Amino acid sequence: DAGVIQSPRHEVTEMGQEVTLRCKPISGHDYLFWYRQTMMRGLELLIYFNNNVPIDDSGMPEDRFSAKMPNASFSTLKIQPSEPRDSAVYFCASRDRESTDTQYFGPGTRLTVL
Amino acid sequence: GNSVTQMEGPVTLSEEAFLTINCTYTATGYPSLFWYVQYPGEGLQLLLKATKADDKGSNKGFEATYRKETTSFHLEKGSVQVSDSAVYFCALSDRSRDDKIIFGKGTRLHILP
Repeated sequence: DAGVIQSPRHEVTEMGQEVTLRCKPISGHDYLFWYRQTMMRGLELLIYFNNNVPIDDSGMPEDRFSAKMPNASFSTLKIQPSEPRDSAVYFCASRDRESTDTQYFGPGTRLTVL
Repeated sequence: GNSVTQMEGPVTLSEEAFLTINCTYTATGYPSLFWYVQYPGEGLQLLLKATKADDKGSNKGFEATYRKETTSFHLEKGSVQVSDSAVYFCALSDRSRDDKIIFGKGTRLHILP
């Protein structure tokens, strides 16, 4: 089975540009999580969805960040406008309702904002 | 609220040495406990887990025992290999509260040949 798929794997952009990160969860998984990882702050949960509905977005840093899940097999995390402090690795993870809490992570998108 | 504290790294050991990475937790309920591992350039992957007190999780020679009396879940391995070099995250979840996993800050492990 394919794991969680994220694209792009690397993104370099200039300050002020819009950035869209994409995630395809494991088929059949009901939960999808977006995380951000930096050296300074470690791994932070940004938002998570259950059955395509956002449940908790309290970790979204500010209004420049938005996330959507239009269907069970696709989610996006958008940053508009991007800033250099948004540079980080962004991970998507998914989980099914039956598992005992195990989340399956994608390979991540390394974002660099110049 | 729930939280996880793990020893800061980096931890540097020689091949075949004994490994311990300490982890303690704070939780109001009865959480499940996890160790995740992140190899260079990859996402996190589950290494082992334990869902109730006194359970022992094990995988790839690593072990951790859920100690409710000391609120700990220390990771151990008897003989480490160079290929074990990675970042290790202790984590907990409490499904009676929400669907989140609370991760520690991670401990970077370097194994020297």
